[in-house]
Amino acid sequence: GNSVTQMEGPVTLSEEAFLTINCTYTATGYPSLFWYVQYPGEGLQLLLKATKADDKGSNKGFEATYRKETTSFHLEKGSVQVSDSAVYFCALTLDTGRRALTFGSGTRLQVQP
Amino acid sequence: DTEVTQTPKHLVMGMTNKKSLKCEQHMGHRAMYWYKQKAKKPPELMFVYSYEKLSINESVPSRFSPECPNSSLLNLHLHALQPEDSALYLCASSQDLGQFYFGSGTRLTVV
Repeated sequence: GNSVTQMEGPVTLSEEAFLTINCTYTATGYPSLFWYVQYPGEGLQLLLKATKADDKGSNKGFEATYRKETTSFHLEKGSVQVSDSAVYFCALTLDTGRRALTFGSGTRLQVQP
Repeated sequence: DTEVTQTPKHLVMGMTNKKSLKCEQHMGHRAMYWYKQKAKKPPELMFVYSYEKLSINESVPSRFSPECPNSSLLNLHLHALQPEDSALYLCASSQDLGQFYFGSGTRLTVV
């Protein structure tokens, strides 16, 4: 079946540190890949997406590149801020079969001043 | 307008109560979703409606009953819930699977 694996959290960083959150996937076919962010007490917001191999999604300083050869979609940011503290979910969807988002387990990021 | 609006934001209900969660979007999206999210867990898919017809039911207990009265509205009717059903219930919509829009959720507590 289709699945998404994320690195365990929490990830604790100091402000202005470099961030990487690993995400790998298993899918039958060619999925679209997403990163969603959830701030405390809120719903999910789309952070970025990529729909085909080698695409790079980017938004608010965050980037992720769709790597088909390693089935990965790692999230990176060059300099994190305290306001980036949240839970980050990697997700995929396919345009056949179960047409809904499949989420990874989520990674909590805590950025300290 | 890229909003998915969910009401109420918070709900406390007894195990014998009947209540409904509501979700509304005006983006013309023809697919709408209910997800359940427990604390510190990812969202779990419950139901999918496509063109106002139920297309996916992820083996959800019958005490949860979805309804899609029209293309903009999605309801989740709740009856005889258990304390373990306490969670954040998220609604989402999409048009072409390229982007999903989520509401801010209803935080449900069953007492």
